[in-house]
Amino acid sequence: KAGVTQTPRYLIKTRGQQVTLSCSPISGHRSVSWYQQTPGQGLQFLFEYFSETQRNKGNFPGRFSGRQFSNSRSEMNVSTLELGDSALYLCASTDPGGAEAFFGQGTRLTVV
Amino acid sequence: AQKITQTQPGMFVQEKEAVTLDCTYDTSDPSYGLFWYKQPSSGEMIFLIYQGSYDQQNATEGRYSLNFQKARKSANLVISASQLGDSAMYFCAMREATGGGADGLTFGKGTHLIIQP
Repeated sequence: KAGVTQTPRYLIKTRGQQVTLSCSPISGHRSVSWYQQTPGQGLQFLFEYFSETQRNKGNFPGRFSGRQFSNSRSEMNVSTLELGDSALYLCASTDPGGAEAFFGQGTRLTVV
Repeated sequence: AQKITQTQPGMFVQEKEAVTLDCTYDTSDPSYGLFWYKQPSSGEMIFLIYQGSYDQQNATEGRYSLNFQKARKSANLVISASQLGDSAMYFCAMREATGGGADGLTFGKGTHLIIQP
């Protein structure tokens, strides 16, 4: 069974640009959540999607958005990038009825 | 107040010794789940073990066990017979049932474990 797949693995963007990250959950998993990891703030919850609906969002500005498609794949978008958005972005999928959340390898975003 | 506290920023342990990584949590929700993840330098978060708040027995997964003391709000990870490959960051996390569990995982700041030969 394939794990959670995140693309791309690495990304370098310029301030002011926008970026889209992709996450394909484990087959059969309908819940996808996103996290930002930085040395200063640690791991922080961004948002969670279930059956194409955003169920909750963490304390992040509106520049951070996401969506989920009917096949459970999810994308997150960050507009008007700032230097502080440089981070490892992790996606996790959860199986229905289960509690375990499995993570992908992450996308390392560098904003210059 | 922090919801997840990991008081050991770093630990050095001799190979083959047992390791206990501390984690305390804070919640008023009677239903919650506790998780431990391993993050090697590659960045991937590897799921290790899960404990539900209503589980009567401590969770075990191979060399990993979770020492769950509900009254103390403690969920320590025990790694038996440590190996060099266990060197990594370890994160304790919690998901509360309030909101249907849609609030995501709350993570501690992690413990950097280094296994020495």
